[in-house]
Amino acid sequence: SQTIHQWPATLVQPVGSPLSLECTVEGTSNPNLYWYRQAAGRGLQLLFYSVGIGQISSEVPQNLSASRPQDRQFILSSKKLLLSDSGFYLCAWSVGGLTSGSDEQFFGPGTRLTVL
Amino acid sequence: AQKVTQAQTEISVVEKEDVTLDCVYETRDTTYYLFWYKQPPSGELVFLIRRNSFDEQNEISGRYSWNFQKSTSSFNFTITASQVVDSAVYFCALDRGSTLGRLYFGRGTQLTVWP
Repeated sequence: SQTIHQWPATLVQPVGSPLSLECTVEGTSNPNLYWYRQAAGRGLQLLFYSVGIGQISSEVPQNLSASRPQDRQFILSSKKLLLSDSGFYLCAWSVGGLTSGSDEQFFGPGTRLTVL
Repeated sequence: AQKVTQAQTEISVVEKEDVTLDCVYETRDTTYYLFWYKQPPSGELVFLIRRNSFDEQNEISGRYSWNFQKSTSSFNFTITASQVVDSAVYFCALDRGSTLGRLYFGRGTQLTVWP
């Protein structure tokens, strides 16, 4: 069966510090991978998605970047955190390939980031 | 533009009551997919159901049922005989079907079931 891991689970960082959140998927190959942010108020916003190694698409301009160095690894980074980067970050995967977008996404346990 | 509206921010019910969570969507696409996810206090989103735009049959899974009506652009979710474990935030989401996994989420409905 497939599993998705995220770490760390919680993180408190000062403004201006760097960030690296990691997401890994097991039990599947060539998944589509996604990073979401859930700010206060509960809405989920898609930040990045990736259909393959080194292929990253950004949904919104922001202080963050993403990378996919391996097939089942997705990393969310920042060089200098802002207060507004606080939130709950969720990684998700779906079946890869020529999907029409019909496949459900499976979410990881999330990372709660607080920027002070 | 795609949009999902969950007008109910919070709902409180007593155990064993039935509760319906509303979801209204906007899209100009003829092919699209609708989803419901559950987010318990632990934070992880749990997939509940997927529906494509060509299938308007209602679906029942145990105490859960979904009513999809294209005429009103609604995809409502009903929990019958609610239980305390149903307490969570529930999200409705829309996928256009023409792009890779671009989910548009509603803002969610916080459901609290009291014993």
